[in-house]
Amino acid sequence: NAGVTQTPKFQVLKTGQSMTLQCAQDMNHEYMSWYRQDPGMGLRLIHYSVGAGITDQGEVPNGYNVSRSTTEDFPLRLLSAAPSQTSVYFCATYRGIDEAFFGQGTRLTVV
Amino acid sequence: DQQVKQNSPSLSVQEGRISILNCDYTNSMFDYFLWYKKYPAEGPTFLISISSIKDKNEDGRFTVFLNKSAKHLSLHIVPSQPGDSAVYFCAASDSQQGGKLIFGQGTELSVKP
Repeated sequence: NAGVTQTPKFQVLKTGQSMTLQCAQDMNHEYMSWYRQDPGMGLRLIHYSVGAGITDQGEVPNGYNVSRSTTEDFPLRLLSAAPSQTSVYFCATYRGIDEAFFGQGTRLTVV
Repeated sequence: DQQVKQNSPSLSVQEGRISILNCDYTNSMFDYFLWYKKYPAEGPTFLISISSIKDKNEDGRFTVFLNKSAKHLSLHIVPSQPGDSAVYFCAASDSQQGGKLIFGQGTELSVKP
């Protein structure tokens, strides 16, 4: 039982490149979210999903895209990476509505 | 605009003493509040929560207090232990909107032996 698995753990991108951060869960939770963590800013919600086929924007959605074709997977796409997207990204699933379980994070650097 | 605020970036306490971490929120629709603990290079882990119908919830050394009129909550750790040293995040949600926890900036707690 892996819980929430994020891949890759580390990534360096050049400005303008695109990539997908993967998130997979085996807890059969309906709700999933993506956050970014930056110094002094805490965890900010990028996008979230309340079930397969349903996604919505969070606090800082610009520059990111998501889809939810299955309950298990919730990938986050960076369309054209910018240095401002250098951050640590966390995926979360929820037991019930509110109690979140987080993955180990993906540390992304955009140069 | 930050809906959940933790105004103290850091806190240092002696082992055995009480640690008090504070959190303020602005959104009146929030009705469920949680505290998460985060060690470096790991994801946050759930610590304790409180519903807006309560004003206190205890779990061992950890107690969360909620003052709805002031839109303020606090986490008390008694007694503090060196292993409690971590970053603590306060989070809030509107239970009508699942999967949408809003976090504060975090407070880094250091417990010195």
